[in-house]
Amino acid sequence: DAKTTQPNSMESNEEEPVHLPCNHSTISGTDYIHWYRQLPSQGPEYVIHGLTSNVNNRMASLAIAEDRKSSTLILHRATLRDAAVYYCILRDVLGNEKLTFGTGTRLTIIP
Amino acid sequence: ETGVTQTPRHLVMGMTNKKSLKCEQHLGHNAMYWYKQSAKKPLELMFVYSLEERVENNSVPSRFSPECPNSSHLFLHLHTLQPEDSALYLCASSQDSKNTEAFFGQGTRLTVV
Repeated sequence: DAKTTQPNSMESNEEEPVHLPCNHSTISGTDYIHWYRQLPSQGPEYVIHGLTSNVNNRMASLAIAEDRKSSTLILHRATLRDAAVYYCILRDVLGNEKLTFGTGTRLTIIP
Repeated sequence: ETGVTQTPRHLVMGMTNKKSLKCEQHLGHNAMYWYKQSAKKPLELMFVYSLEERVENNSVPSRFSPECPNSSHLFLHLHTLQPEDSALYLCASSQDSKNTEAFFGQGTRLTVV
């Protein structure tokens, strides 16, 4: 699996938008970009995924650069419940079912 | 509630004990996974099962033995573990497609004494 690079930690104020960056300069044409998050004392949960176009769902938006070498997870209005470790993961559609996690970004929300 | 249930939630075992972790999903998924999460380390993929066949074994020591008797259940049998095996063990499942989301259980917090 191609690697991703994320900042170790970020802080954001409550009720403000959060932009979580991810670099994946060696992404291949068959890699999807997945985001998961892990709240304290819980297992990871799926947030969003995409291939080329920007994606929106009820949890977040995913903005993908035109060259696909980077992406940004956008939380439109952060709440205290969004404090978690956010993982950006590449998943090769031609590979097996492997889902490999890195160290992620620890997001702290300031009340 | 993700639809993936792990039992027990907490387990303390001695190094000579034999125990098993259980994972259950009734989401109709065909792929199931075991992950290990040690303190201050990324999640490590241990085993992958697809349609009840093991498709991935990431150099896991033989003291960890997985079993997938059917598509809804996954076990991790533990024997003669070491204190460094203490960790959070997470189970996940997904559809057999490569790019559908994975659903994780709450995990079993294992302490080896």
